[in-house]
Amino acid sequence: DSGVTQTPKHLITATGQRVTLRCSPRSGDLSVYWYQQSLDQGLQFLIQYYNGEERAKGNILERFSAQQFPDLHSELNLSSLELGDSALYFCASSTGTGEQPQHFGDGTRLSIL
Amino acid sequence: GENVEQHPSTLSVQEGDSAVIKCTYSDSASNYFPWYKQELGKGPQLIIDIRSNVGEKKDQRIAVTLNKTAKHFSLHITETQPEDSAVYFCAASKKRSNDMRFGAGTRLTVKP
Repeated sequence: DSGVTQTPKHLITATGQRVTLRCSPRSGDLSVYWYQQSLDQGLQFLIQYYNGEERAKGNILERFSAQQFPDLHSELNLSSLELGDSALYFCASSTGTGEQPQHFGDGTRLSIL
Repeated sequence: GENVEQHPSTLSVQEGDSAVIKCTYSDSASNYFPWYKQELGKGPQLIIDIRSNVGEKKDQRIAVTLNKTAKHFSLHITETQPEDSAVYFCAASKKRSNDMRFGAGTRLTVKP
């Protein structure tokens, strides 16, 4: 158990809809990272927050947004969903930034019908 | 930015044999290199990591080597077991950088 909690585990919705994925980092970790993993693909970095502030952006679409709250949990919002957004979305946390190990949750599997 | 290449994409070995997965990186400032194991239905799990001031690190049947000059690092698994079957990812990051770059992954199958 990594200590990172992601909810929900599975999400099924339709094109054009909006969903929110939630992540609770390990106790004491200030950084939260979001990744997308499509079928048989690697991990695509989306965005990172550190202690409530956005620190880095990767290949995140404009339809996607995230935030980190004062209690350090984070939410990833995906809107105007398309079939191609179907993927596993992982959250990871670390104590700081840079050369720190990241600890991953078990992901949210998003299926767009 | 950093680019991490990982080979091979698939690897099949017989139980008891060794497995080696190799990664190369492009940014000479990278100084932290973790390896993750992802089992079906799970998130990636950190199995071993190495920093640039060390050339080799070992943890039981798993070892990682780093060649800073050539900018490549490798994961070695000895005496493989069926439960080692998974997808393995290498990654690289550096100080004051906010993203970690991952390799594309290697699907390891250990045949009993």
